[in-house]
Amino acid sequence: AQSVTQPDIHITVSEGASLELRCNYSYGATPYLFWYVQSPGQGLQLLLKYFSGDTLVQGIKGFEAEFKRSQSSFNLRKPSVHWSDAAEYFCAVDHMYSGGGADGLTFGKGTHLIIQP
Amino acid sequence: KAGVTQTPRYLIKTRGQQVTLSCSPISGHRSVSWYQQTPGQGLQFLFEYFSETQRNKGNFPGRFSGRQFSNSRSEMNVSTLELGDSALYLCASSLRDRGFPNEQFFGPGTRLTVL
Repeated sequence: AQSVTQPDIHITVSEGASLELRCNYSYGATPYLFWYVQSPGQGLQLLLKYFSGDTLVQGIKGFEAEFKRSQSSFNLRKPSVHWSDAAEYFCAVDHMYSGGGADGLTFGKGTHLIIQP
Repeated sequence: KAGVTQTPRYLIKTRGQQVTLSCSPISGHRSVSWYQQTPGQGLQFLFEYFSETQRNKGNFPGRFSGRQFSNSRSEMNVSTLELGDSALYLCASSLRDRGFPNEQFFGPGTRLTVL
């Protein structure tokens, strides 16, 4: 069964500093990878996705992520965080059966990002 | 284009009751998935509907059910509510054509509290 691990439950970063959130997945075939962000009381907003091709993907709000197959990782980065980036971040993996269909996204437990002024 | 909408946003029920939650997908999206989010278990996949048919189901008891209408709107139902059913229920829609991965777009969720 596929799984996603986000090793850091909480991360505190100073405003203006760089950020890297870690994500490791376990899945035998090529995964489809996503990062979502959730603000308090809100649903999930897609930041970026990786399906194939260039392993460095750009997303919204200045975020990027790099897919590293050898490390089974898909870490999220931002060069300079803003106070408005404080939120919960979720990494997720999806796959498609060869016959089509899917069994839904598998999410990590999330990383809570705190921004210090 | 309007996003995914969910109603109601908040709901309080007592144990043993049943509840129905509604989700309207983004126009043109035929796939609707439901997820349960709790502090302890995180985000878990409930089921997916595509063209009025349940295409996939997560590991939840039969008390959790759903359906999809011809206009792609979806409802999920939880019968005989238990305290542990208290959660944020998220609906997501996508194009989800067979053989192609698609990103899912999430609604704001319905916060269900079971007393």
